[in-house]
Amino acid sequence: KQEVTQIPAALSVPEGENLVLNCSFTDSAIYNLQWFRQDPGKGLTSLLLIQSSQREQTSGRLNASLDKSSGRSTLYIAASQPGDSATYLCAVYGNKLVFGAGTILRVKS
Amino acid sequence: EAQVTQNPRYLITVTGKKLTVTCSQNMNHEYMSWYRQDPGLGLRQIYYSMNVEVTDKGDVPEGYKVSRKEKRNFPLILESPSPNQTSLYFCASSPDRADTQYFGPGTRLTVL
Repeated sequence: KQEVTQIPAALSVPEGENLVLNCSFTDSAIYNLQWFRQDPGKGLTSLLLIQSSQREQTSGRLNASLDKSSGRSTLYIAASQPGDSATYLCAVYGNKLVFGAGTILRVKS
Repeated sequence: EAQVTQNPRYLITVTGKKLTVTCSQNMNHEYMSWYRQDPGLGLRQIYYSMNVEVTDKGDVPEGYKVSRKEKRNFPLILESPSPNQTSLYFCASSPDRADTQYFGPGTRLTVL
C-alpha cells in the first residue's frame, strides 16, 4: 500500500529565504507525482506535475525534483514571499492518487 | 473560465437526512473524483469515474453514492448521513486519471 510522507509538517521562514519541502513515498511504481497548494478555506491548486520519466519540473520560482528509485521528491521555492504562505501537498499516482498530509508554510514579512 | 464548481459550499444537516452535493466541470474532462479531507488523515478518495456511466469505489466509499449520467456532472449522494461523515469534501476532474487534477473549492459538511 502506497504511503506518502511530507516533512516538515510545518515551516516558518522569513521573507526572501529559499526553502525546500520534502515528500517521500514507499512504492516507486508510479506514473507521476504532483505538488499542490491549498489556501485556507479553498480547494487545491496544482503547481507542478512530474512524470515518472522526468527528473524535475520548473514553474517560475518553483522547482520540483523526482527521484523515483529512492522514493523522494522535493519542492524548492526560491525567494519566498508572504503570498507563498499555504499548505503544500504532494500526491503520487500509481494505480490511484495518494496524498501526503501536507506541509504548512508560513512566510513572515 | 475553466473551473470545477461545487454546491453547496457549506451545509449543516442532521443524521439520516438525505443530501446531495453537486459537482460540475466545464473542461470536458473524462475523469472525475470525490475526496474527503480530515485533520490527521489527509485527502482520501471516495469514488471516481473514468467516464460517463463508469464509476468505481475509492478508499472510503462506505455511506456514499455517486452517479455519472453526463460528462460534466458528478454528484455525491449521502443517503443517510452520520456524524462521522462530517468533513471537507472536494470534487476534482482531469482529462485522464493520470493527468493534472483540477479541484473544486470544497464543501464543508457538518452532520449533527
